[in-house]
Amino acid sequence: NAGVMQNPRHLVRRRGQEARLRCSPVKGHSHVYWYRQLPEEGLKFMVYLQKENIIDESGMPKERFSAEFPKEGPSILRIQQVVRGDSAAYFCASSPQGPPGNTIYFGEGSWLTVV
Amino acid sequence: AQTVTQSQPEMSVQEAETVTLSCTYDTSENNYYLFWYKQPPSRQMILVIRQEAYKQQNATENRFSVNFQKAAKSFSLKISDSQLGDTAMYFCAFGSEKLVFGKGTKLTVNP
Repeated sequence: NAGVMQNPRHLVRRRGQEARLRCSPVKGHSHVYWYRQLPEEGLKFMVYLQKENIIDESGMPKERFSAEFPKEGPSILRIQQVVRGDSAAYFCASSPQGPPGNTIYFGEGSWLTVV
Repeated sequence: AQTVTQSQPEMSVQEAETVTLSCTYDTSENNYYLFWYKQPPSRQMILVIRQEAYKQQNATENRFSVNFQKAAKSFSLKISDSQLGDTAMYFCAFGSEKLVFGKGTKLTVNP
């Protein structure tokens, strides 16, 4: 399966801990997007990255959240000092080219539960 | 603000029948793309169909077709010959760089 790979699929963290979610895009894709899905909601855009660059982080909370897509290795979404409200599904997506309109392919999501 | 409205939180249809899911959106942009994604119980997001806003011809993918009315900012999804495997949440989305999603419609196909 050469699709978008996310891990872990499920992650449980206590309040105050850090969560790290990893995303390996489709081979050859250099554009990565992170979306968050709260319960009973649609997906909401968080951040758009290319290799080593953050292109658009307008959907990222101002504090505790950060994302990177290094030259080598997967993209990482990092949430510091997690709170109960961070419990959600986090979806990564990738595309071979940038916008506009290039179809993005989603991974299976990472479910974060904060207890 | 860019928004997507899916006015039907839940729908059901009998196997082999046809169902239409509605979607309206609001944007001041002229060039954008529209999508329908399916999210089955496995929770994976699966692309169903894609439409370029500058194309007047409605997109079709096998049993799935759209009715795109740009002036009305409407983008409905028609599923023909519904199958049990079509049971899922369906999300409408649009955008050019980042996608804006609706809250979804839960579709149940009954045997």
